[in-house]
Amino acid sequence: KNQVEQSPQSLIILEGKNCTLQCNYTVSPFSNLRWYKQDTGRGPVSLTIMTFSENTKSNGRYTATLDADTKQSSLHITASQLSDSASYICVVSANAGNMLTFGGGTRLMVKP
Amino acid sequence: GAVVSQHPSRVICKSGTSVKIECRSLDFQATTMFWYRQFPKQSLMLMATSNEGSKATYEQGVEKDKFLINHASLTLSTLTVTSAHPEDSSFYICSASETRQVHQPQHFGDGTRLSIL
Repeated sequence: KNQVEQSPQSLIILEGKNCTLQCNYTVSPFSNLRWYKQDTGRGPVSLTIMTFSENTKSNGRYTATLDADTKQSSLHITASQLSDSASYICVVSANAGNMLTFGGGTRLMVKP
Repeated sequence: GAVVSQHPSRVICKSGTSVKIECRSLDFQATTMFWYRQFPKQSLMLMATSNEGSKATYEQGVEKDKFLINHASLTLSTLTVTSAHPEDSSFYICSASETRQVHQPQHFGDGTRLSIL
């Protein structure tokens, strides 16, 4: 059964600090892994998308890593801002991209 | 960038009412659109896959007669919650990918908050 597990479930950090969110998956055959940011009451917005051959991808202060051997990914947020407060969802796709398995998300709160 | 527009953003209505939610891809064509439901503090749950010009594919446990999906064009899919009841109250989100693009992110609408009284 395809599964995506995220940790931690929730996280509180102070503004300006860095943090790393984790994603472990058992999805086969792997197509790509995506990180989304979802603000409360809004739809998810894509941050990064990585295929099997990509180890790291950055989008501003967000850097995602992928280890396809261990089936793990991380999302690192640098110099956090209050606007980073949101849920971060790891999504793994199989079978050429459109079969998505969603992680439960990590709810991040950045406090001043 | 690719934009998916969802309307309305919020609906409050009485039990027994049918509610239609629209999902439009504004600047790209989407052969396939997806409908999700999200309960508080939970992740998105796929309800159905909407295919332009053909019947939608529903996930196990989702009643097709309850959640009617119409995908009449490459830029528009609608979800109708028929005879809605309080247990149907949820956050409904649609998404779409550009046609025949594999490693492209799905673009999500901003969701519709449905509250049934």
